[in-house]
Amino acid sequence: NAGVTQTPKFQVLKTGQSMTLQCAQDMNHEYMSWYRQDPGMGLRLIHYSVGAGITDQGEVPNGYNVSRSTTEDFPLRLLSAAPSQTSVYFCASSYGGGDNEKLFFGSGTQLSVL
Amino acid sequence: GNSVTQMEGPVTLSEEAFLTINCTYTATGYPSLFWYVQYPGEGLQLLLKATKADDKGSNKGFEATYRKETTSFHLEKGSVQVSDSAVYFCALRGVGSSNTGKLIFGQGTTLQVKP
Repeated sequence: NAGVTQTPKFQVLKTGQSMTLQCAQDMNHEYMSWYRQDPGMGLRLIHYSVGAGITDQGEVPNGYNVSRSTTEDFPLRLLSAAPSQTSVYFCASSYGGGDNEKLFFGSGTQLSVL
Repeated sequence: GNSVTQMEGPVTLSEEAFLTINCTYTATGYPSLFWYVQYPGEGLQLLLKATKADDKGSNKGFEATYRKETTSFHLEKGSVQVSDSAVYFCALRGVGSSNTGKLIFGQGTTLQVKP
């Protein structure tokens, strides 16, 4: 059971380059989200999706785009990378709310922008 | 808006010591509260949760009680092991269906347990 799979695990970019962080889940979860983790700031929500074709902004969406064409995939795009986007990125998914709510996280992508 | 505040780390303990990591929150109504743990090089995993006031979440010897009167959800363990060394995150999910699948995290507390 793969769970939430993120690729790549590490990436180095130059300022201005673009790239896509991939995220896929095989649990048929409706909800998917992207977080960034920075020292002393915990995890902050970038974008999230409540189902295929539906996305919305989180706390820190600037500089990032997302789309959700299938239930399984939720890629995060950096159109023009900036040093401020150096961070560890986590994708997460969940099947809903209520007492059974639980987020499943990928293992992360460590991104450095030079 | 909703927010979570955790005690500053790192916390360094000897094996079998008692652990407390403080967590307080600001939110309207009765949010759901969570503790997640991140082991080195891995993603976050749910450790325990509580969805209403006075509930106690527990798992792997860890406990936390949802205290509405003090807006707190402190994490405790009676006897830590070296294998508990990790980063611990307190988190909340706000009230309402629009918050489903979205968590607000504290800044994380690093725990190091020495033999």
